[in-house]
Amino acid sequence: EAGVVQSPRYKIIEKKQPVAFWCNPISGHNTLYWYLQNLGQGPELLIRYENEEAVDDSQLPKDRFSAERLKGVDSTLKIQPAELGDSAVYLCASSLRGDGTNEKLFFGSGTQLSVL
Amino acid sequence: KQEVTQIPAALSVPEGENLVLNCSFTDSAIYNLQWFRQDPGKGLTSLLLIQSSQREQTSGRLNASLDKSSGRSTLYIAASQPGDSATYLCAVRGGNEKLTFGTGTRLTIIP
Repeated sequence: EAGVVQSPRYKIIEKKQPVAFWCNPISGHNTLYWYLQNLGQGPELLIRYENEEAVDDSQLPKDRFSAERLKGVDSTLKIQPAELGDSAVYLCASSLRGDGTNEKLFFGSGTQLSVL
Repeated sequence: KQEVTQIPAALSVPEGENLVLNCSFTDSAIYNLQWFRQDPGKGLTSLLLIQSSQREQTSGRLNASLDKSSGRSTLYIAASQPGDSATYLCAVRGGNEKLTFGTGTRLTIIP
């Protein structure tokens, strides 16, 4: 079974440029997460989708970040314009969420973003 | 706001030794606690999940315990191997359904 697939694996851009990340979750998983992980830190939630609905985007910086999950499968996360402080690893995770008490998350390998 | 702490930040032990990793959290109103492993440049892999009503979970050489009232969890690794070298993170799912991660313990097993 294929795991969570993310692309690109690495991205280097100059500040003020746009950037997009793509995530393909495990087949059948209804819940999809985007996390941001800074070096030496734990992941921090950006947005959570239940099917195609964004049910928690309270920590997404909406002035520059946007996300979509069309048809409740693949998802893209976009930053426009990127700032130096956006350099981090962007992780996607998916799960088959029931009531949440026994939910296990499966993570992709992440996209490492460097903003110069 | 839930805060999750993992101490120490880094740990080195000789191969074959048993070891314990610690995780503490400030709000005991949790649904569950998970332990993850992260290898360099990779995503996280779920190791064990303990529901709030449980005291421990075991998988192979790994045993995770949960003391919700004191806000603590431990991950016990028996007979450590070089392949166990990785960063171990704990994460707590709180009443607001958010998953809050600790900063991790970087474990190095010395052959």
